[in-house]
Amino acid sequence: DGGITQSPKYLFRKEGQNVTLSCEQNLNHDAMYWYRQDPGQGLRLIYYSQIVNDFQKGDIAEGYSVSREKKESFPLTVTSAQKNPTAFYLCATRGTGGTYEQYFGPGTRLTVT
Amino acid sequence: LAKTTQPVSMDSYEGQEVNITCSHNNIATNDYITWYQQFPSQGPRFIIQGYKTKVTNEVASLFIPADRKSSTLSLPRVSLSDTAVYYCLVAVTGGGNKLTFGTGTQLKVEL
Repeated sequence: DGGITQSPKYLFRKEGQNVTLSCEQNLNHDAMYWYRQDPGQGLRLIYYSQIVNDFQKGDIAEGYSVSREKKESFPLTVTSAQKNPTAFYLCATRGTGGTYEQYFGPGTRLTVT
Repeated sequence: LAKTTQPVSMDSYEGQEVNITCSHNNIATNDYITWYQQFPSQGPRFIIQGYKTKVTNEVASLFIPADRKSSTLSLPRVSLSDTAVYYCLVAVTGGGNKLTFGTGTQLKVEL
Protein backbone atom coordinates (compact mmCIF):
# COMPACT_ATOMS: atom_id res chain seq x y z
CA ASP A 1 0.00 0.00 0.00
CA GLY A 2 1.86 3.06 -1.26
CA GLY A 3 1.82 6.32 0.59
CA ILE A 4 3.17 8.66 3.21
CA THR A 5 3.04 7.92 6.90
CA GLN A 6 3.24 10.58 9.56
CA SER A 7 3.25 9.65 13.17
CA PRO A 8 1.86 10.31 15.61
CA LYS A 9 -1.39 12.01 14.53
CA TYR A 10 -1.50 14.08 17.72
CA LEU A 11 1.49 15.07 19.79
CA PHE A 12 1.66 16.99 23.04
CA ARG A 13 4.81 18.47 24.51
CA LYS A 14 5.86 20.85 27.22
CA GLU A 15 7.48 24.13 26.32
CA GLY A 16 11.26 23.90 26.14
CA GLN A 17 11.36 20.32 24.87
CA ASN A 18 12.57 19.29 21.46
CA VAL A 19 10.23 16.99 19.55
CA THR A 20 10.76 14.97 16.38
CA LEU A 21 7.99 14.37 13.87
CA SER A 22 8.24 11.32 11.69
CA CYS A 23 7.65 11.16 7.93
CA GLU A 24 8.09 7.93 5.98
CA GLN A 25 7.24 7.26 2.34
CA ASN A 26 7.26 4.20 0.12
CA LEU A 27 6.54 6.04 -3.13
CA ASN A 28 10.20 6.02 -4.12
CA HIS A 29 10.08 9.79 -4.52
CA ASP A 30 13.28 11.79 -4.35
CA ALA A 31 11.87 15.10 -3.13
CA MET A 32 10.34 15.55 0.29
CA TYR A 33 8.89 18.63 1.99
CA TRP A 34 7.76 19.81 5.42
CA TYR A 35 5.01 22.39 5.80
CA ARG A 36 3.39 24.06 8.74
CA GLN A 37 -0.24 25.17 8.77
CA ASP A 38 -1.81 27.46 11.35
CA PRO A 39 -5.60 27.77 11.76
CA GLY A 40 -7.26 29.50 8.82
CA GLN A 41 -3.96 29.90 7.02
CA GLY A 42 -2.27 28.33 4.06
CA LEU A 43 0.74 26.04 4.25
CA ARG A 44 4.20 27.47 4.82
CA LEU A 45 7.32 25.63 3.72
CA ILE A 46 9.79 24.76 6.50
CA TYR A 47 12.41 22.57 4.81
CA TYR A 48 12.71 20.51 1.67
CA SER A 49 15.03 17.86 0.34
CA GLN A 50 15.57 16.96 -3.28
CA ILE A 51 17.87 14.01 -2.66
CA VAL A 52 19.35 11.93 0.14
CA ASN A 53 21.87 13.76 2.34
CA ASP A 54 20.80 17.14 1.01
CA PHE A 55 18.17 19.61 2.19
CA GLN A 56 17.41 23.31 1.97
CA LYS A 57 15.65 25.84 4.18
CA GLY A 58 12.20 26.93 3.21
CA ASP A 59 10.46 30.13 4.18
CA ILE A 60 10.22 29.53 7.94
CA ALA A 61 13.16 27.28 8.89
CA GLU A 62 14.13 29.03 12.11
CA GLY A 63 13.65 26.78 15.13
CA TYR A 64 13.45 23.62 13.03
CA SER A 65 15.95 21.02 11.85
CA VAL A 66 15.77 18.04 9.50
CA SER A 67 17.85 15.14 8.26
CA ARG A 68 17.67 12.99 5.13
CA GLU A 69 19.78 9.92 5.70
CA LYS A 70 17.46 7.61 3.80
CA LYS A 71 15.30 8.17 0.74
CA GLU A 72 12.24 6.95 2.60
CA SER A 73 12.57 9.13 5.68
CA PHE A 74 12.60 12.88 6.35
CA PRO A 75 12.16 13.57 10.09
CA LEU A 76 11.52 17.09 11.36
CA THR A 77 12.72 18.24 14.76
CA VAL A 78 10.93 21.14 16.36
CA THR A 79 13.42 22.69 18.75
CA SER A 80 12.87 24.79 21.81
CA ALA A 81 14.01 27.78 19.76
CA GLN A 82 10.77 27.72 17.75
CA LYS A 83 8.69 30.47 19.33
CA ASN A 84 5.21 29.22 18.39
CA PRO A 85 5.46 25.49 17.65
CA THR A 86 1.79 24.61 18.09
CA ALA A 87 0.52 23.90 14.57
CA PHE A 88 -0.50 21.25 12.05
CA TYR A 89 2.58 19.79 10.34
CA LEU A 90 2.38 18.22 6.91
CA CYS A 91 4.96 16.17 5.08
CA ALA A 92 4.85 15.83 1.30
CA THR A 93 6.74 14.14 -1.50
CA ARG A 94 7.11 14.78 -5.20
CA GLY A 95 8.14 12.38 -7.90
CA THR A 96 10.25 13.03 -10.94
CA GLY A 97 8.95 14.05 -14.31
CA GLY A 98 7.05 17.08 -15.48
CA THR A 99 4.35 17.07 -12.85
CA TYR A 100 4.24 19.49 -9.94
CA GLU A 101 1.98 17.20 -8.00
CA GLN A 102 2.93 16.84 -4.37
CA TYR A 103 1.58 13.99 -2.30
CA PHE A 104 0.75 14.85 1.28
CA GLY A 105 0.72 12.76 4.39
CA PRO A 106 -2.13 12.84 6.95
CA GLY A 107 -0.33 15.37 9.13
CA THR A 108 0.68 15.64 12.77
CA ARG A 109 -1.03 18.10 15.06
CA LEU A 110 1.50 19.34 17.60
CA THR A 111 0.40 21.10 20.75
CA VAL A 112 3.00 22.69 23.01
CA THR A 113 1.96 24.02 26.39
CA LEU B 1 8.06 34.07 -6.42
CA ALA B 2 4.77 34.83 -8.12
CA LYS B 3 2.16 35.88 -5.59
CA THR B 4 -1.37 34.64 -6.12
CA THR B 5 -4.64 36.34 -5.25
CA GLN B 6 -7.94 34.51 -5.04
CA PRO B 7 -11.30 35.14 -3.37
CA VAL B 8 -11.47 34.33 0.31
CA SER B 9 -14.73 32.45 0.04
CA MET B 10 -17.45 31.36 -2.38
CA ASP B 11 -20.86 29.80 -1.93
CA SER B 12 -22.66 27.50 -4.34
CA TYR B 13 -25.43 24.95 -4.56
CA GLU B 14 -25.31 21.32 -5.51
CA GLY B 15 -25.34 20.71 -9.22
CA GLN B 16 -23.97 24.11 -10.17
CA GLU B 17 -20.70 24.83 -11.94
CA VAL B 18 -18.20 26.72 -9.82
CA ASN B 19 -15.45 28.88 -11.25
CA ILE B 20 -12.66 30.09 -8.98
CA THR B 21 -10.36 32.69 -10.48
CA CYS B 22 -6.82 33.34 -9.36
CA SER B 23 -4.52 36.16 -10.38
CA HIS B 24 -0.76 35.72 -10.63
CA ASN B 25 0.56 38.85 -12.29
CA ASN B 26 4.23 38.09 -11.75
CA ILE B 27 4.28 34.57 -13.12
CA ALA B 28 7.57 33.71 -14.81
CA THR B 29 7.95 32.18 -18.24
CA ASN B 30 8.67 28.65 -17.06
CA ASP B 31 6.27 28.52 -14.11
CA TYR B 32 3.26 26.24 -14.03
CA ILE B 33 -0.10 26.85 -12.38
CA THR B 34 -1.39 24.21 -10.02
CA TRP B 35 -4.50 23.82 -7.92
CA TYR B 36 -4.96 21.86 -4.72
CA GLN B 37 -7.97 20.95 -2.59
CA GLN B 38 -7.86 20.63 1.17
CA PHE B 39 -10.39 19.26 3.63
CA PRO B 40 -10.13 20.12 7.34
CA SER B 41 -7.32 18.35 9.20
CA GLN B 42 -6.05 16.66 6.03
CA GLY B 43 -3.18 17.29 3.68
CA PRO B 44 -3.95 19.06 0.40
CA ARG B 45 -4.75 16.98 -2.65
CA PHE B 46 -3.54 17.84 -6.13
CA ILE B 47 -6.35 18.67 -8.55
CA ILE B 48 -4.84 19.91 -11.78
CA GLN B 49 -1.89 21.73 -13.32
CA GLY B 50 -1.47 23.72 -16.50
CA TYR B 51 0.81 26.03 -18.43
CA LYS B 52 -1.49 27.68 -20.96
CA THR B 53 -4.90 27.44 -22.65
CA LYS B 54 -7.12 24.71 -21.25
CA VAL B 55 -6.49 21.54 -19.32
CA THR B 56 -9.20 19.08 -18.34
CA ASN B 57 -9.17 15.96 -16.21
CA GLU B 58 -11.82 13.81 -14.60
CA VAL B 59 -12.57 16.28 -11.80
CA ALA B 60 -11.90 19.80 -13.10
CA SER B 61 -10.88 22.10 -15.91
CA LEU B 62 -8.26 24.79 -15.81
CA PHE B 63 -8.47 27.81 -18.09
CA ILE B 64 -5.40 29.97 -18.61
CA PRO B 65 -5.49 33.03 -20.89
CA ALA B 66 -2.68 33.87 -23.26
CA ASP B 67 -1.02 36.38 -20.91
CA ARG B 68 -1.05 33.76 -18.11
CA LYS B 69 -1.63 36.44 -15.48
CA SER B 70 -4.69 34.65 -14.21
CA SER B 71 -6.28 31.23 -14.24
CA THR B 72 -9.72 29.81 -13.54
CA LEU B 73 -10.48 26.49 -11.94
CA SER B 74 -13.83 25.14 -13.07
CA LEU B 75 -15.63 22.48 -11.04
CA PRO B 76 -18.61 21.04 -12.94
CA ARG B 77 -21.77 20.12 -11.03
CA VAL B 78 -20.45 20.46 -7.50
CA SER B 79 -21.74 18.36 -4.63
CA LEU B 80 -21.66 18.77 -0.86
CA SER B 81 -18.40 16.81 -0.77
CA ASP B 82 -16.69 19.54 -2.78
CA THR B 83 -16.89 21.86 0.23
CA ALA B 84 -13.22 22.52 0.91
CA VAL B 85 -10.44 25.07 0.60
CA TYR B 86 -8.99 25.44 -2.88
CA TYR B 87 -5.47 26.74 -3.36
CA CYS B 88 -4.04 28.27 -6.50
CA LEU B 89 -0.28 28.02 -6.65
CA VAL B 90 2.46 28.89 -9.05
CA ALA B 91 5.00 26.09 -9.25
CA VAL B 92 8.47 27.52 -9.66
CA THR B 93 10.50 25.47 -12.07
CA GLY B 94 13.78 24.36 -10.60
CA GLY B 95 15.07 25.10 -7.11
CA GLY B 96 13.28 22.16 -5.58
CA ASN B 97 9.99 23.00 -7.28
CA LYS B 98 8.80 24.80 -4.21
CA LEU B 99 5.13 25.56 -3.85
CA THR B 100 3.93 28.69 -2.09
CA PHE B 101 0.48 28.36 -0.61
CA GLY B 102 -1.73 31.39 -0.04
CA THR B 103 -4.82 31.36 2.17
CA GLY B 104 -6.95 29.76 -0.52
CA THR B 105 -10.66 30.00 -1.33
CA GLN B 106 -13.15 28.40 1.04
CA LEU B 107 -15.88 26.90 -1.13
CA LYS B 108 -19.12 26.05 0.61
CA VAL B 109 -21.64 23.94 -1.27
CA GLU B 110 -25.20 23.76 0.01
CA LEU B 111 -28.27 21.75 -0.94
